[in-house]
Amino acid sequence: DQQVKQNSPSLSVQEGRISILNCDYTNSMFDYFLWYKKYPAEGPTFLISISSIKDKNEDGRFTVFLNKSAKHLSLHIVPSQPGDSAVYFCAASVGNYGQNFVFGPGTRLSVLP
Amino acid sequence: NAGVTQTPKFRVLKTGQSMTLLCAQDMNHEYMYWYRQDPGMGLRLIHYSVGEGTTAKGEVPDGYNVSRLKKQNFLLGLESAAPSQTSVYFCASSYGIGQYFGPGTRLTVT
Repeated sequence: DQQVKQNSPSLSVQEGRISILNCDYTNSMFDYFLWYKKYPAEGPTFLISISSIKDKNEDGRFTVFLNKSAKHLSLHIVPSQPGDSAVYFCAASVGNYGQNFVFGPGTRLSVLP
Repeated sequence: NAGVTQTPKFRVLKTGQSMTLLCAQDMNHEYMYWYRQDPGMGLRLIHYSVGEGTTAKGEVPDGYNVSRLKKQNFLLGLESAAPSQTSVYFCASSYGIGQYFGPGTRLTVT
């Protein structure tokens, strides 16, 4: 049973609009959450993180929101750019230990010009 | 800085053959990891290392062995490859929040 779910395998958004990528988790002990971005033929790249003591973290065009009661997090990209087209993985962990992170299956974002 | 590099990028093996995947990082990171990625699934941890000379099992360690003889290198070995090991393998290293990933090795076992 997947502990970290990304129920939308793909998402298409118009350039300049907001992209919202969602992630749900089942383990209430998770307290660190990360988002990674992956281009074809490359490894994932760390994007942004949030710990459970916060409900929002912002870095430029990227904002992650955490709703602990719903066990849900989302990544907002505003405004979306064609270069944002990639696969996005969310990952969750008990403690900020790399070996503990559980990854979701990813969402493929396409930003259309 | 090259970051995290992986060798080879592609490989085709026959069932029962052995091979070693090499991961190297030049960031002086203590932690290193090997993951596999299969269609429709997230990255799954095979083995990891918290420092030179130490290794530990991850979520899916069966059929793999690892060694960390030098801090900058983390080797993943398949002693007797099976078709179920067809996958994309990623190495990563870390120090603090987030991991730095290599470009991956696509392995096919026929």
